[in-house]
Amino acid sequence: EDKVVQSPLSLVVHEGDTVTLNCSYEVTNFRSLLWYKQEKKAPTFLFMLTSSGIEKKSGRLSSILDKKELSSILNITATQTGDSAIYLCAVSNAGKSTFGDGTTLTVKP
Amino acid sequence: DAGVTQSPTHLIKTRGQQVTLRCSPKSGHDTVSWYQQALGQGPQFIFQYYEEEERQRGNFPDRFSGHQFPNYSSELNVNALLLGDSALYLCASSLAFDRVNTEAFFGQGTRLTVV
Repeated sequence: EDKVVQSPLSLVVHEGDTVTLNCSYEVTNFRSLLWYKQEKKAPTFLFMLTSSGIEKKSGRLSSILDKKELSSILNITATQTGDSAIYLCAVSNAGKSTFGDGTTLTVKP
Repeated sequence: DAGVTQSPTHLIKTRGQQVTLRCSPKSGHDTVSWYQQALGQGPQFIFQYYEEEERQRGNFPDRFSGHQFPNYSSELNVNALLLGDSALYLCASSLAFDRVNTEAFFGQGTRLTVV
């Protein structure tokens, strides 16, 4: 059975800090790893990482896929209070996505 | 572009009743997946529809069924509701499931409460 584990479960930091969120997976027929941000209801897409695209960056957010270690990290630099959310990691297998339970990030002013 | 739309946004049902949730995918998307998200957990895959057929299914009982219409919209039906079915139900749309590496876009979800 496919499995995704995220750590830490929760994290509290202050504005300006840098955070690293972790995601490890066990999945058959891996196609891609996705990161989502969930603030209230709908998860919003952040990054998709594949064998041909193991590193992505957008502004203060970046992510790396380690296919050898079956893991990924999401980095957020210079955190802001607006970064407070649940960050979800998912691995995709032919359309079906298996999600971890997320990391709840709280950024204090 | 309207994105993924779901209805209703909130719903309260009594144990044993049946419920139907609806989803319209993002324009240009032809695949719809349904997820159940309990409080404090990540979304759990229920099933996926493409070309009006169920293509993949997660570990959910037969009480959970669905349908996809020719315009790609979809319904999720849950029969004989249990208290444990209370959750946020998310719909995600994407391009054809067998295409390589397409991300899914989520709707705002339907919050179902079973009392």
